Amino acid sequence: GAGVSQSPSNKVTEKGKDVELRCDPISGHTALYWYRQSLGQGLEFLIYFQGNSAPDKSGLPSDRFSAERTGGSVSTLTIQRTQQEDSAVYLCASSHGQGDEQFFGPGTRLTVL
Amino acid sequence: GNSVTQMEGPVTLSEEAFLTINCTYTATGYPSLFWYVQYPGEGLQLLLKATKADDKGSNKGFEATYRKETTSFHLEKGSVQVSDSAVYFCAFNNAGNNRKLIWGLGTSLAVNP
Repeated sequence: GAGVSQSPSNKVTEKGKDVELRCDPISGHTALYWYRQSLGQGLEFLIYFQGNSAPDKSGLPSDRFSAERTGGSVSTLTIQRTQQEDSAVYLCASSHGQGDEQFFGPGTRLTVL
Repeated sequence: GNSVTQMEGPVTLSEEAFLTINCTYTATGYPSLFWYVQYPGEGLQLLLKATKADDKGSNKGFEATYRKETTSFHLEKGSVQVSDSAVYFCAFNNAGNNRKLIWGLGTSLAVNP
């Protein structure tokens, strides 16, 4: 079966522009996570969805970041007024339930010029 | 707070050498522990896991034992291969409801023929 997919794979944008990153989790996985992998800072948690609700948004770095999930499936991470420090690889993961193995997508590499 | 400290890389070994990558964690409660691997050009994938104290996770010749008394989860392999060249990440999930992963910075391993 298909794994977690993310689009676009690469995104180059100018400072101040808005970007949307998409994640398609594995079908039937109720839990969805967004992480960010920055050079020299490792992986950091951004937000967690259980179904369509986001009980933990504690990792979002600022109010320029938001995310939603519809139909218990696809999720979109939106970054408004991008800054150079937003440049990173954004990773999405899904799992069948809490505590189960998380399966990762290939990531979206975001470059803010 | 919750954190993971893992051995800094890069680590360079000759084929068939013994590998150890140290990992220690600081966590509340009783987390599950993981090693993820990222091969060149590929996404993160789970290598092995352990869910309770004294459990040993193993896969592809790699092993790690959950040591609660030393809060460690060191990764070992008796004889590395060139194909093991990758970045290895130690992580644990928090004992709360969302099971988000807390990550080490990653250790790059290069195995030479």
